[in-house]
Amino acid sequence: QQQVKQSPQSLIVQKGGISIINCAYENTAFDYFPWYQQFPGKGPALLIAIRPDVSEKKEGRFTISFNKSAKQFSLHIMDSQPGDSATYFCAASTGGQNFVFGPGTRLSVLP
Amino acid sequence: NAGVTQTPKFQVLKTGQSMTLQCAQDMNHEYMSWYRQDPGMGLRLIHYSVGAGITDQGEVPNGYNVSRSTTEDFPLRLLSAAPSQTSVYFCASTPWESGIETQYFGPGTRLLVL
Repeated sequence: QQQVKQSPQSLIVQKGGISIINCAYENTAFDYFPWYQQFPGKGPALLIAIRPDVSEKKEGRFTISFNKSAKQFSLHIMDSQPGDSATYFCAASTGGQNFVFGPGTRLSVLP
Repeated sequence: NAGVTQTPKFQVLKTGQSMTLQCAQDMNHEYMSWYRQDPGMGLRLIHYSVGAGITDQGEVPNGYNVSRSTTEDFPLRLLSAAPSQTSVYFCASTPWESGIETQYFGPGTRLLVL
């Protein structure tokens, strides 16, 4: 019940395209859903996050869509750029503790 | 601010050896945690602390010990290293304020156990 599933495992997108990564969870007690971006050799860094009281959050080219009834959330990267090539992790937590991470999606944006 | 710092960056151990991975933060964050990252498994929580003197187990605590004597430092100890502990270890800190749950990660320690 603590697991967060993430797909796809890897994604290749052309420059300017839309990248979509999906996550699903089971624990309805989760109340915070962040996405992290990780470049090779670096620690993950918070990209964008959402709480279940809203269905969508947008920050620049990055948008989280949240479907509480389906227990799913997704990351959309609009106008994908080669600099977006990284590994993306979705996560979930309850009360800011015990974050549970998805297995990650390796995104490659071709120039 | 240096943020979250971790030492060493890379370490090779032999099976049975012990070592301590250091983690420090200068942001006065109450909440700190240790994760291990393995291919295809994301990050898994090892131990966490909600403040000095308070620690608790995460998802994969076996083989690891932690202590939190100060707000700034949160070392992770491997008492008797095993090849299964070969991984990349990340320390993170979080401000303990309502509505702010951003985790700040360190650069990681890559550990190889032979």
